[in-house]
Amino acid sequence: DAGVTQSPTHLIKTRGQQVTLRCSPKSGHDTVSWYQQALGQGPQFIFQYYEEEERQRGNFPDRFSGHQFPNYSSELNVNALLLGDSALYLCASTLSLIADEQYFGPGTRLTVT
Amino acid sequence: SQQGEEDPQALSIQEGENATMNCSYKTSINNLQWYRQNSGRGLVHLILIRSNEREKHSGRLRVTLDTSKKSSSLLITASRAADTASYFCATVTNAGNMLTFGGGTRLMVKP
Repeated sequence: DAGVTQSPTHLIKTRGQQVTLRCSPKSGHDTVSWYQQALGQGPQFIFQYYEEEERQRGNFPDRFSGHQFPNYSSELNVNALLLGDSALYLCASTLSLIADEQYFGPGTRLTVT
Repeated sequence: SQQGEEDPQALSIQEGENATMNCSYKTSINNLQWYRQNSGRGLVHLILIRSNEREKHSGRLRVTLDTSKKSSSLLITASRAADTASYFCATVTNAGNMLTFGGGTRLMVKP
């Protein structure tokens, strides 16, 4: 039973560039959430996708956008990268919109120079 | 923004001792969860306690919840070196199942 997978593991980008991160949810899960974790801090909720639509959104600018595909996998896109976007980006999946337990992937470490 | 604070921010103990971490939050919740994170990697779900529960146990873990004080504690008994990690509390409101995390406690267990 495959858990949550994320790619790539690490990524280095330059200010102003755009980046796409990918996530495949745990088998049987249909809801995907994305979190940003700056160094030394707790994760912050970015947004959640269910049935290919954004259902909830945290306090992040429109530079952060996402997509969910029919197979429930998801992408996180960040445009016009800033130095402050450097963080660990975590994807989590749940069995449904109302399921309690979230399963996290290993994360993508993004460094913006 | 983060829901609350965790205390202490860092904790260093000897193997075999108990470790207690506290979490405070600001709004009404549906449930509160504790997660563990090793070396900046993915988070692992440890335990969930609902707003109508006061105490819950899972193996060497004991969680308490005081909704009147908007606080929770996580006790790890008989700690092991392998328990070394960061521990985060996260709250869930009735508005959805997204998690709002605290700042975490970095636990070091010395062999």
